[in-house]
Amino acid sequence: AQSVSQHNHHVILSEAASLELGCNYSYGGTVNLFWYVQYPGQHLQLLLKYFSGDPLVKGIKGFEAEFIKSKFSFNLRKPSVQWSDTAEYFCAASSGNTGKLIFGQGTTLQVKP
Amino acid sequence: DTAVSQTPKYLVTQMGNDKSIKCEQNLGHDTMYWYKQDSKKFLKIMFSYNNKELIINETVPNRFSPKSPDKAHLNLHINSLELGDSAVYFCASSQAGTSWKEQYFGPGTRLTVT
Repeated sequence: AQSVSQHNHHVILSEAASLELGCNYSYGGTVNLFWYVQYPGQHLQLLLKYFSGDPLVKGIKGFEAEFIKSKFSFNLRKPSVQWSDTAEYFCAASSGNTGKLIFGQGTTLQVKP
Repeated sequence: DTAVSQTPKYLVTQMGNDKSIKCEQNLGHDTMYWYKQDSKKFLKIMFSYNNKELIINETVPNRFSPKSPDKAHLNLHINSLELGDSAVYFCASSQAGTSWKEQYFGPGTRLTVT
C-alpha cells in the first residue's frame, strides 16, 4: 500500500541551528513528492516539490530537499532556522493522474528565539 | 483575492445534525479535493472531483456527500453528525490530470460536534 512516513514528530531547535526532517515513502512506480508547511492558524502552503530532474530541489524561504530514490527518501533541510519557521511540516506523495496526495503524520517544529 | 475559500471557518453543532461546508476556488482549476485533518494533525484525503465528476472516494461513510455544482465549487454535506466527525476539513484545488501540480489549500473549517 502507498504510504508516507515522517520520523520526527516533534523537533525543538534554537535559532540558527540546522534542520533536517526525515520523510520516507512507499510507492510503486513514478512518484511525485512534496513538502507542505502549515504555520499556526494558517492553511497549508507548498514549500517545494520534486517530480523529475535534479534530485536536489530548492523551495521557498531557504528550504531544500533531496530525493534519494535508493533510500525512498525525501528529507527536508534548512541550514539555519528562524523563529518564524515554527510550524507543522508535512511530507506528501502522489502518483498517477488523480492528484491524490498521501500525507505523512507531520512534524511539529518549534524554534526557540 | 483569496484563491481557495471555505465557509464557515468554525462550525459547532450537536450530534445527529446535518451540516454543510462550502468551498470555492478562483484559480480556474479543474480538480478539487476535500481532506480531513484529525486531532493529531494527520491529513487524509476524502474526495476529489475533476470538472464536476467524482474521481476519488476514499471509503468515507456515506453520511458524507460532496456536491460540485460547477468546477469552481465543491461543497461537503454531512448527515447525522457524530462525535468522531470533529476535525478540521480542508478544501484544495489543482490543475487536472497532473499529479505533480501543486494543490492550493483553503483556510480550513474547524468542525466541533458536541
